[in-house]
Amino acid sequence: KAGVTQTPRYLIKTRGQQVTLSCSPISGHRSVSWYQQTPGQGLQFLFEYFSETQRNKGNFPGRFSGRQFSNSRSEMNVSTLELGDSALYLCASSSLGGGEETQYFGPGTRLLVL
Amino acid sequence: AQSVTQPDIHITVSEGASLELRCNYSYGATPYLFWYVQSPGQGLQLLLKYFSGDTLVQGIKGFEAEFKRSQSSFNLRKPSVHWSDAAEYFCANSGAGSYQLTFGKGTKLSVIP
Repeated sequence: KAGVTQTPRYLIKTRGQQVTLSCSPISGHRSVSWYQQTPGQGLQFLFEYFSETQRNKGNFPGRFSGRQFSNSRSEMNVSTLELGDSALYLCASSSLGGGEETQYFGPGTRLLVL
Repeated sequence: AQSVTQPDIHITVSEGASLELRCNYSYGATPYLFWYVQSPGQGLQLLLKYFSGDTLVQGIKGFEAEFKRSQSSFNLRKPSVHWSDAAEYFCANSGAGSYQLTFGKGTKLSVIP
């Protein structure tokens, strides 16, 4: 099976712009989660989607949003970018998203905000 | 709230030496515990996980971890480290009905030839 894929892999934006990141889960997986990784804060949970519904959301401002499509592919959007949004954004998928399941991670999208 | 602590930010070991990376968790019910490894520029790869049963868990690449409820710990071990093990290691937990992983800050492992 192909792994989790994320596009684009690298992105440079300027403050105030918006960005959309894409994630394609492993075939058959219906749960997609997003994480932000920064040197200062480490890995932080953004949100989780299952069957097009957001089931859980981390402690991030409303500028961070996401959605999931009927084929389980997911996108996350960050509006009005700030310098602090520079990070590696990781997507993970699992079959049903339960706490005991293994999350399979993609390679990430590295976002640099100038 | 769940929390995971990895007390060691950076560890350096010689190739062939044994390794133990520490992880402490805070969760009321039975936690689900994971160890992930991240090489530079890569995503996270699962090394092993614990849900229940035998408290000594075997993983990939020769790693093992032991769950100790009394100490709220889930330490990762490897008897003989290889240069290719140099990476950053993350301990994480979740729980029943949880849809997210809570990660520790990570431990960066350097291996001296």
